[in-house]
Amino acid sequence: QVRLAESGGGVVQPGRSLRLSCAASGFTFSNYGMHWVRQPPGKGLEWVAVIWYDGNNKDYADSVKGRFTVSRDNSENTLYLHMNSLRAEDTAVYYCARETAVAGRRIDYWGQGTLVSVFS
Amino acid sequence: SYGLTQPPSVSVSPGQTAIITCSGDKLGDKYACWYQQKPGQSPVLLIYQDTRRPSGIPERFSGSNSGNTATLTISGTQAMDEADYYCQAWGTTTHGVFGTGTTVTVI
Repeated sequence: QVRLAESGGGVVQPGRSLRLSCAASGFTFSNYGMHWVRQPPGKGLEWVAVIWYDGNNKDYADSVKGRFTVSRDNSENTLYLHMNSLRAEDTAVYYCARETAVAGRRIDYWGQGTLVSVFS
Repeated sequence: SYGLTQPPSVSVSPGQTAIITCSGDKLGDKYACWYQQKPGQSPVLLIYQDTRRPSGIPERFSGSNSGNTATLTISGTQAMDEADYYCQAWGTTTHGVFGTGTTVTVI
């Protein structure tokens, strides 16, 4: 079965960096686009970034553009989110999510999320 | 940047119909998805490509999308449907922007 397992969250000071990982299993990782979605405590979902199946195309939300970088290692079935210059407003649960594009794009699987807390 | 607006809350009696709207500029020109999220859980896909239901999603969940508004309808609402609901739009330049979210309360 499809499994997405995020790791790397924690407490970090403003201005510092953090790298999140998402280990994928149960499907052919290199065939799917992948997303990061975040949810601040008690608030709604916010799309963060997408990376195409081959890693050649990426896009970001305006709120993280220039600070966050999404990447993937298809040989290791792992998705990454490199977060630099972190701010208090980046505090959220970060979800790794798989996109399926056959018969319409959608996110069909989500991880359980990893919490990133940014405060001094 | 593109934005999607939902009502913050919807209340419905058991067995009645709940209607959740999602508004965005020319949303009907894009494909809409809907997700359900219960407290402490990850979201679950309910509707994709405006009207399609993944396997395992009950028929009481249905969707539509036209003009500037996408709609999620829950027919015969059950207590287990109490949750947060999010729309999402996919277009040539929108890779998955989410709506503001709606809390459905079954009273």
